[in-house]
Amino acid sequence: AAGVIQSPRHLIKEKRETATLKCYPIPRHDTVYWYQQGPGQDPQFLISFYEKMQSDKGSIPDRFSAQQFSDYHSELNMSSLELGDSALYFCASRTGRTYEQYFGPGTRLTVT
Amino acid sequence: KNEVEQSPQNLTAQEGEFITINCSYSVGISALHWLQQHPGGGIVSLFMLSSGKKKHGRLIATINIQEKHSSLHITASHPRDSAVYICAVEADDMRFGAGTRLTVKP
Repeated sequence: AAGVIQSPRHLIKEKRETATLKCYPIPRHDTVYWYQQGPGQDPQFLISFYEKMQSDKGSIPDRFSAQQFSDYHSELNMSSLELGDSALYFCASRTGRTYEQYFGPGTRLTVT
Repeated sequence: KNEVEQSPQNLTAQEGEFITINCSYSVGISALHWLQQHPGGGIVSLFMLSSGKKKHGRLIATINIQEKHSSLHITASHPRDSAVYICAVEADDMRFGAGTRLTVKP
């Protein structure tokens, strides 16, 4: 069965650069969630989308933005990167009929 | 075979019962997380474990690194505990179990 796909899997950027992370949900899933997990920390909810509209917002910095496109994939755009942005970013998708989320493998971002 | 296996997939209990959810994994890990998700919401992190046992209120989580196994226990269960509980392990990335849907009936 198809799973949630994230790209890239690993990304290295320098301070003040920008990064774009992509999440491709399971087919027919209309909701996407983004999470950030810093080293040794609990996952933190960033933002979610339902039917291409932002549905909920968590602890997402103003330097970050995200959107969901017509094909339901989502992109997390991160600007003015800081060392503290180094983390694993994973996304999850679900369909509106159930509330179980299916998680992607994550993108490990390293900011140097 | 999934690298993270949870059991049971679904669990229905009566209020007040003691509940156990199990997680087995097959990869080397640096930490294991127990996550909770309620309908319509994001996930809530319950525990992060690298060894031993942790307790928070009515929730207890244990991990046996040698056996690659963790359990989440809920004592004196309550209907508000109804949620999906997910086991996730940190390897070079995060690997997630399929979740256990818990329903606690009054």
